Amino acid sequence: NAGVMQNPRHLVRRRGQEARLRCSPMKGHSHVYWYRQLPEEGLKFMVYLQKENIIDESGMPKERFSAEFPKEGPSILRIQQVVRGDSAAYFCASSTSDWGSPLHFGNGTRLTVT
Amino acid sequence: GNSVTQMEGPVTLSEEAFLTINCTYTATGYPSLFWYVQYPGEGLQLLLKATKADDKGSNKGFEATYRKETTSFHLEKGSVQVSDSAVYFCALYTGANSKLTFGKGITLSVRP
Repeated sequence: NAGVMQNPRHLVRRRGQEARLRCSPMKGHSHVYWYRQLPEEGLKFMVYLQKENIIDESGMPKERFSAEFPKEGPSILRIQQVVRGDSAAYFCASSTSDWGSPLHFGNGTRLTVT
Repeated sequence: GNSVTQMEGPVTLSEEAFLTINCTYTATGYPSLFWYVQYPGEGLQLLLKATKADDKGSNKGFEATYRKETTSFHLEKGSVQVSDSAVYFCALYTGANSKLTFGKGITLSVRP
C-alpha cells in the first residue's frame, strides 16, 4: 500500500525557468493538499484540491503559481518563472473525504532556485 | 480564523528526561487536534490525534489531552529517547472542505 508519492525528490531550477512538482495521493484518497515549508517558518498551506476542483487556494501566491488535480493522473503544482524566494520544501498530503481523517504526507520536493 | 501557537524552540533534552511541548489553538467550531512528527529529510507523519474535548491521544509513549477549557493540546512523554529527535507540529482541523492548520513546529534534540 504505497503512501503519498512525490517527485522529483530534489529539483534545481535557474531563475526564470518553470518548476513542476508532482504528487500521487494514497490509493482511495480524493483530497490533495499542498504545503510549503521554509526554514524557521513552519508549514504554510497553499492549496486544497479534490478531483478536477480547487476547493481552497487562499495560500497560493496570486502570480506564477498554479495547481491542478485532474481526473486521471497526479496532482501538479506548477511554478512559472521561478525566483530565489521560491526555494523551499514543498509537501503534498492526501486524505479521504471522511471528516477528521488525518492527512498523509509525501516526503516532499526540495526546490532550489539558482 | 483558525490558528495554532506552539512554544518557542528548539528544545534539547537528555535521554530519559520528561518532555512537554505546549500547544494552544484558536478555532471556529469544534476542531480535531493532531500532533505530527517530521524526521530529518522526510515528510510529516501523524503521531496522535484527538477529536473531541477530554479525549487523550497516545502513540509511541507520547500523549496529549484535548483541553477545551484552556484550548490546549500539550504533548508529553515520560522518558524521551535519542530516536525521538525530530520536529514536532501541532495542528487543527475544523471540518469538511477545511484545511489542516499547523503551528510553526518545534525542533527536539535528545542527547545520549
